[in-house]
Amino acid sequence: EPEVTQTPSHQVTQMGQEVILRCVPISNHLYFYWYRQILGQKVEFLVSFYNNEISEKSEIFDDQFSVERPDGSNFTLKIRSTKLEDSAMYFCASKGGMTAGGYTFGSGTRLTVV
Amino acid sequence: DAKTTQPPSMDCAEGRAANLPCNHSTISGNEYVYWYRQIHSQGPQYIIHGLKNNETNEMASLIITEDRKSSTLILPHATLRDTAVYYCIVIQTGANNLFFGTGTRLTVIP
Repeated sequence: EPEVTQTPSHQVTQMGQEVILRCVPISNHLYFYWYRQILGQKVEFLVSFYNNEISEKSEIFDDQFSVERPDGSNFTLKIRSTKLEDSAMYFCASKGGMTAGGYTFGSGTRLTVV
Repeated sequence: DAKTTQPPSMDCAEGRAANLPCNHSTISGNEYVYWYRQIHSQGPQYIIHGLKNNETNEMASLIITEDRKSSTLILPHATLRDTAVYYCIVIQTGANNLFFGTGTRLTVIP
């Protein structure tokens, strides 16, 4: 069964450093997403991406965050200057078409900012 | 925003059916009911979805009331691996994003 692959599985970074979280969505999917989950809290939407541009973003996704699909297969989330409160699980997801809800999630990257 | 109400937690004996309720009293005609689950900080996993008819797949059954204001996810023979947080999510046709609530933490007991 096709999978969404995320790397690394765990990243530790110092406050103020830049991090890039990587995702390989399912190959024929067209819609891409990032979600995050702070320990013990809800899964929160960050951003959606379609046709090489952001289609929607939440208020969490401020100027410190950016996304990119650099080569047609990878989908990355960059946090420019990490803060302690950015520590969370970050999940990438992809969807094949406009059908509501048919998301496939990756297993996540645990980001720890120290 | 989550438009559903679920009990925070439930227990179920291994091998028995787990019935997880969800209230979505403000659901509108073009909104689907989706169920996802999250096993211990893994990525959410799709289970099943429906509009107004009952649905069944290899994982579960979904029973939607005639007025569509509530639904029940049924895991017919729960196993220990079904211990997870189960999310009921209402989504419009063509909507882009999933909004997760707090879900129901199901614990399957040996």
